[in-house]
Amino acid sequence: DTEVTQTPKHLVMGMTNKKSLKCEQHMGHRAMYWYKQKAKKPPELMFVYSYEKLSINESVPSRFSPECPNSSLLNLHLHALQPEDSALYLCASSQEVRTNEKLFFGSGTQLSVL
Amino acid sequence: AQSVTQLGSHVSVSEGALVLLRCNYSSSVPPYLFWYVQYPNQGLQLLLKYTSAATLVKGINGFEAEFKKSETSFHLTKPSAHMSDAAEYFCAVSGSYNQGGKLIFGQGTELSVKP
Repeated sequence: DTEVTQTPKHLVMGMTNKKSLKCEQHMGHRAMYWYKQKAKKPPELMFVYSYEKLSINESVPSRFSPECPNSSLLNLHLHALQPEDSALYLCASSQEVRTNEKLFFGSGTQLSVL
Repeated sequence: AQSVTQLGSHVSVSEGALVLLRCNYSSSVPPYLFWYVQYPNQGLQLLLKYTSAATLVKGINGFEAEFKKSETSFHLTKPSAHMSDAAEYFCAVSGSYNQGGKLIFGQGTELSVKP
């Protein structure tokens, strides 16, 4: 199994809603990532987890709250988002957090904030 | 600081023609370089990576890239384009050692393949 599974595939939410994005992998990877991708732009790193601990936070606003409950799961909790947060949110994983690691990406959650 | 520049936001080739996507990098340390492909409504998939073992790197789907330190380039090529190659291609460089896991992407090149 070389898949990273993200749910839901599409999400529409209002600015006062609370929602969560989920990501799961069963490759035994110990590093997991959240990226944000706007249309026609490259992905931008948001968070990195290594062995279930947050190792990189790219100065992401607190309305985005990551959680890594175990080595296979990664969540992104959303609260009080703004319309400009509408984007494709990509989860990725790798064996370890190393500079030469291959990342495995999920298909993403397309988020629309109204 | 590490960065990559992809020359040409859009490249169009005919089916069967050579594909050449250009990437130049800037890095304060010996770089690890990657090419990823993104098909519509999909995540990214690794095509190939350079990790200093060999300057000519072969990847999946017939793609290859050559690392040229003197030109700070890592261009992606494929001898004969196929319709299924139409996608967005991203060149990326690893962050510095203390940013393990961080990929810095170029702006992307959209490849179109004409029949």
